Amino acid sequence: EIAMTQSPATLSVSPGERATLSCRASQSVSSNLAWYQQKPGQAPRLLIYGASTRATGIPARFSGSGSGTEFTLTISSLQSEDFAVYYCQQYYNWLTFGGGTKVELK
Amino acid sequence: EVQLLESGGALVQPGGSLRLSCAASGFTFSTSAMNWVRQAPGKGLEWVSVIYSGGRTTFFADSVQGRFTLSRDDSKNTLYLQMNSLRAEDTAIYYCAKDGYGGNGLYYFDYWGQGTLVTVSS
Repeated sequence: EIAMTQSPATLSVSPGERATLSCRASQSVSSNLAWYQQKPGQAPRLLIYGASTRATGIPARFSGSGSGTEFTLTISSLQSEDFAVYYCQQYYNWLTFGGGTKVELK
Repeated sequence: EVQLLESGGALVQPGGSLRLSCAASGFTFSTSAMNWVRQAPGKGLEWVSVIYSGGRTTFFADSVQGRFTLSRDDSKNTLYLQMNSLRAEDTAIYYCAKDGYGGNGLYYFDYWGQGTLVTVSS
């Protein structure tokens, strides 16, 4: 099973600042990587697939990069509605999720 | 508008059974692979199962293999998860999720339902 590790576990950011979230795979997943956002009491929402393709309706301030084992989700200028937990997920070999990064208000 | 509406969650005793349903609308259900993903209270996401279009192919996580079965009724646009021999560690919110790529394969999830809570406890 491919293990996905996200860091940091918690990221404290002020509105308007840039947020950089990391996801590492235990072996190469090529570009078969997705990112989701989950707010309290809500279902996850797809942000990015194919490591860097924004899903329908996702604002341009969200961007994904990386391939192989190292991936990054960047929120260029954090808005109040962006405080949430973010998960990465690989779909190269079966499906596994990272443990999540909570983006909180600094 | 794509909608996925789960139902069937309940409190059940260890060793018991439960069937979850997911009613879909707003897309061509019959050509879509469909999944269940669960989330234990305060924890992360865990993929549970997938059923491909046509309904003949299913896959399960090791944690539920042999205890859960998955089926679909394309005439009703509904997905079913039959859960048997339930354990305390199966306690979670169960989300129905549509595959974002196509009808066959394991990919990402472009639409999710709001989830249904399953609690396994005596």
